[in-house]
Formats: sequence, structure tokens, C-alpha cells
Amino acid sequence: KAGVTQTPRYLIKTRGQQVTLSCSPISGHRSVSWYQQTPGQGLQFLFEYFSETQRNKGNFPGRFSGRQFSNSRSEMNVSTLELGDSALYLCASSLGAQGVGETQYFGPGTRLLVL
Amino acid sequence: GQNIDQPTEMTATEGAIVQINCTYQTSGFNGLFWYQQHAGEAPTFLSYNVLDGLEEKGRFSSFLSRSKGYSYLLLKELQMKDSASYLCAVRRSNSGYALNFGKGTSLLVTP
Repeated sequence: KAGVTQTPRYLIKTRGQQVTLSCSPISGHRSVSWYQQTPGQGLQFLFEYFSETQRNKGNFPGRFSGRQFSNSRSEMNVSTLELGDSALYLCASSLGAQGVGETQYFGPGTRLLVL
Repeated sequence: GQNIDQPTEMTATEGAIVQINCTYQTSGFNGLFWYQQHAGEAPTFLSYNVLDGLEEKGRFSSFLSRSKGYSYLLLKELQMKDSASYLCAVRRSNSGYALNFGKGTSLLVTP
């Protein structure tokens, strides 16, 4: 089985622009979660989607949004980019059944640099 | 909210044993995960504990005490390739798949 894929892998944007990142989960997985990783804050949960619905949301401003499509692929969008949005954005997929111990599998991430 | 604390850095010698501790405070605990992350790569799953006790997986073991809000990851027979960041993460019962991560412990294995 192919793993979680994310595109693009690297991105450079300027302040005020917006960006869209894409994630394709492992085949058969229906839950997709997004995380932001920075050296100062570590890995922080952004949101989780299941069956095209946002199921959970972290403490990020409304500039961060996402969606999930019927094939479970997900996108996240960041509008009005700020310098502090420079980070590694990781997508993780799970089956979605919320079984005990069900594991999240991470993609390679998209490294975003905001200038 | 919750706090997850783990040491920032550790150093150990090849062939030795190292224990990485993690303490947490949370409401509605629903499992603790350990991930390994090599520089520039994605986190990879190592272990999961939801009940008290020790889970063993080859060279890696993880322990949980829910009453103490404490877990550790034990790495035996250290190899150079074990140099990585080790992330402790807690799942809450009302948060679906959302994992709350500690800031990670950077382990350096020396010859």
C-alpha cells in the first residue's frame, strides 16, 4: 500500500498571500488530520476531517481552514500568510473507526516558508 | 487543556539502554503514543499504551502509569540509527484522533 502523500513538498510564499496544501491518505483510510510543526512549538494539531466533515479543531485562527473530498483526499488553506506561519505542515491518516489504539500515519510534510 | 513534558535532549552510547520520560496532565485520557522522527522526515509510530503497564516491541518498550500521568520509552541495545527525536503524544477521549504532542526529546547516540 502506498503511504500518505503530500503536495507540494516545499513552498515559498510572501506575507499576505494564501496557500493550499494537499494530502492523499492511505487507501481505505477515511480520517485525515493536519498538524503544524515548528521548532518553538513542536507539533500542534490543526484539525481532523472524517467523511468530508470537520470532526475536531485545534486552537488556530480562522485563517487556517480545510476540507475533505469524497475520495478522502484533503486540502488545507492558509489565507493572509504571516511570517509565523513558516512551518512543516504534516498530514496524518487513520482508518476512521476510532478503535482503541488506532494509529495515525504521517505523510512527509509540506515545508512552507513565508518571506 | 493539557501539559506534556519530556526532556529536551539526551545522549547515550551505542549498545546501551536509554529511558525517555514523559509526564502529562489531561482530562479524559484515551491513550498515549510514542513516535520517532528523524531529521527532515515524518514521524513514525513506535508504540501505544492505554492501560497501565509495559508494552514490549523488540528493542523498544513503553510503560504507562495513568494514576501518575507518566510514561517512558525504553530503548535497548542502542544503535547509531536510533539518533532521532522521540515524541510523546496524548489522545483525549472527546477529541477524536487529535493528538497533543510534547515538544520531543532529541536523542543522540554516540559511538
